[in-house]
This record gives sequence, C-alpha cells and structure tokens, in this order.
Amino acid sequence: SQQGEEDPQALSIQEGENATMNCSYKTSINNLQWYRQNSGRGLVHLILIRSNEREKHSGRLRVTLDTSKKSSSLLITASRAADTASYFCATSNRDDKIIFGKGTRLHILP
Amino acid sequence: GAGVSQSPSNKVTEKGKDVELRCDPISGHTALYWYRQSLGQGLEFLIYFQGNSAPDKSGLPSDRFSAERTGGSVSTLTIQRTQQEDSAVYLCASSLAGGPGYGYTFGSGTRLTVV
Repeated sequence: SQQGEEDPQALSIQEGENATMNCSYKTSINNLQWYRQNSGRGLVHLILIRSNEREKHSGRLRVTLDTSKKSSSLLITASRAADTASYFCATSNRDDKIIFGKGTRLHILP
Repeated sequence: GAGVSQSPSNKVTEKGKDVELRCDPISGHTALYWYRQSLGQGLEFLIYFQGNSAPDKSGLPSDRFSAERTGGSVSTLTIQRTQQEDSAVYLCASSLAGGPGYGYTFGSGTRLTVV
C-alpha cells in the first residue's frame, strides 16, 4: 500500500519559476526522502530529512517536514529545463522499509 | 561496483515462461530492495533484504514471485509463469545500513514485457 501521496499529480511551470510539490503520509516515520526519476528508469536520491528536522536545504532544493500534519514539501527554486522529471517522496519507518508515493510529474516550459 | 547494476536492462518474454532478474548492489551495502513500477505509476514495494535477517516479503504480489540474495550480495528476482500484468520496470536499490539517515541508490531497472 502507498504511504506517501504527492500533490499535485502533475505540474507545469515556466523556466525560472519556483516549483512546489507536497507529500502527505499516514503513519509515523523515521525519515522522509525525495527522489527524482527521469524517463521512467532509475531514481536519483535528492534529499533526506529526519523526523526531528523541520527544514533542509540542498542547492536549489528546500524540503520542509511537518510531522504534526504528516506532510512535507519540496521546493525547487529558479527551475530549469533539466528539472523536468517525476518527483517521488518516500517514507521510512521503524522497519526500514521505504514506501513511495505515486509521484508528481513536473514539466518545465521554455 | 560504483553503482547498483541490474540485468538485463530489457526482457521480452512469452506469457507462461519464467524469468530471472538480477541485481548487483553496491559493495558493502547491507540492505537491498526490489520495487516494481508500472507505466506512469509509483513504485510498488516487493521485497527487502537486510544483512542476514529473514527478508521482508510482504510486498510480493503472488507466490509466482520469489527472490533470493546469495552471500549477502547479488540478488535474483524470479517470476514464474509470467502473466501480462507482470509487465513493468523492476527496480533494485541498495543502502549502506538500511536504517534511518541513509538514502538509497537505485539501479536503472529491468523493463519486463510479457507478450
């Protein structure tokens, strides 16, 4: 069963704008991760945020975590054409199994 | 190796045949995961190996699916009597410790097509 659920399912923005994707989950977690997938193949790990952290940055990426609302957001600033991809959140709980959401398809328009 | 290696990258098989998919994790990674992704969908968890512990097989969709991991390294996912609904990309991932705080490295996947 899916743990994380991304919102929106699809997002199109102009190059240079910021893109925000959200993820909601149902049970308690140890950490939450965001991944990017190009062309329906292997996933690339972007960033991990632990359950005791509220915000994390990596380059143009900013992730927030609100455990009281069981939600996370991924912000990509100053988007580029190369950011076009699907983005997945994944949660890990005590048994170390990571469960993925269905993803957000991001399309950057030139 | 430098990354997670999966083979074959593509596999076309006839309905009813058995297939074996292979995953070579990053050397030293103790945790290994198999996922399945149907077209345009998210990743469906299949099975998880952690060190010498009994694998978590809770995601295997039927008894036609099985997986083993030999010597704590290479893993093989076997699908017996393949059906058309088994068509998907099968992704393998490994992690250093399998616990909180570690990201997971994915292979490029095996695209299985059952005709």
